[in-house]
Order: sequence, then C-alpha cells, then structure tokens
Amino acid sequence: DQQVKQNSPSLSVQEGRISILNCDYTNSMFDYFLWYKKYPAEGPTFLISISSIKDKNEDGRFTVFLNKSAKHLSLHIVPSQPGDSAVYFCAAYSGAGSYQLTFGKGTKLSVIP
Amino acid sequence: DAGVTQSPTHLIKTRGQHVTLRCSPISGHKSVSWYQQVLGQGPQFIFQYYEKEERGRGNFPDRFSARQFPNYSSELNVNALLLGDSALYLCASSLVSGSSYEQYFGPGTRLTVT
Repeated sequence: DQQVKQNSPSLSVQEGRISILNCDYTNSMFDYFLWYKKYPAEGPTFLISISSIKDKNEDGRFTVFLNKSAKHLSLHIVPSQPGDSAVYFCAAYSGAGSYQLTFGKGTKLSVIP
Repeated sequence: DAGVTQSPTHLIKTRGQHVTLRCSPISGHKSVSWYQQVLGQGPQFIFQYYEKEERGRGNFPDRFSARQFPNYSSELNVNALLLGDSALYLCASSLVSGSSYEQYFGPGTRLTVT
C-alpha cells in the first residue's frame, strides 16, 4: 500500500529545459514533504522541502509546489543540467512528533546534453 | 564538516549469519534513523533513535535491532540473515527527532546475503 506514489519511473529532458517530477500521496496526515536526489552508489541527498502550510518553496533552480486538495506535489528544475541526472525521491512526514519518513519509489531523470 | 559516515561499504554474508552495521551522524546531530532500500524501491524505515532511546520502529521482524551510543553513533544488527535481507542499508541523521527536520543520509552499506 503505497502512501507516496511517483507514477513515472523515468523522465528524459533536454538540457536547458524544465524538468517536472510529480508525486501523489494518499495519507492526509502528511504535513511536511521533502525531495531527495540519489546518484548510484551514494546515499540520498536532501534537495528541498515544503511544509503543508505553504504551496510553494523555491531554492535556486529548484521549486517545489504543493496542492493539498489534490494531494499532489511537484518538483521543478529550471534550467535542467546534465549533472541533474539522478533518481529523485519524494518523501513525507505524517504529523507533529512524526519521526518516520515515507518514500516513493523514485523517478529516474535523464538530462540529455 | 563531515557528513554521515557508514561502515562497512560492502558486506557479503551467508544465510543464517549475523551482521552489524555502523553509523556516525553529522556532528551535533542527536537523532539517527535506519532505512532499508531494495532495488527499485524507495528507502523503508527501520528504526529511529534519539538521545539513545528508540523513538520508533518500522514493520521489520525482531531479527532487526539497533542501539545508539553516548556519542550518538549507532549500530544496526540483523540476526539469522535471509536472502531477502540483501539491500542497501542507509543511515540518516537529524538535529532532533520529529517532523519538519531534514534527515541527512550516509552513503549506505550494501549487504549481500548468499
């Protein structure tokens, strides 16, 4: 029973264009969301997060959008660079005092030069 | 500043054996969590320790155990290894325990059970 769903296993984007990675969730108790990037043979690297009281958070080339009513969030990368090629995971905490991150299965992004 | 470190990097064990994995958190971080990642899946939560006490446990059998030491480093122990325990084991640290705190991951220990 996947509470965090990343329905696109892979995505290919041209260098310089926008990459949009999507994530849906089913647990209405989730209140804090994070995106991680993972290269092969490395641990996940924290990218950006968003609280459920916000609908947008921006950090450089990375922007995360949250639509609570649709239980949907997305990560936008603009412009995409070849070094962005990695697996991206969406993760969530469920409520105050929660300590457990629930992850999606990941989306493999390939940025083509 | 040093990030989260884990040892060993790779490990090969036989079914039925026992394994101990080690993790050192980022300096100043008091919370350590363990995750298991199998191929094609996202990381699955195993344990979280904060101030040397277990704060939570995921849906894993009692063969999995962990502890946290006074210097906040941690060990994950797995007894009676099964083939299905083959995975990447990730350790993550955070300043404190709780929602809205980012967890920072180490490089992982790749465990292969034959």
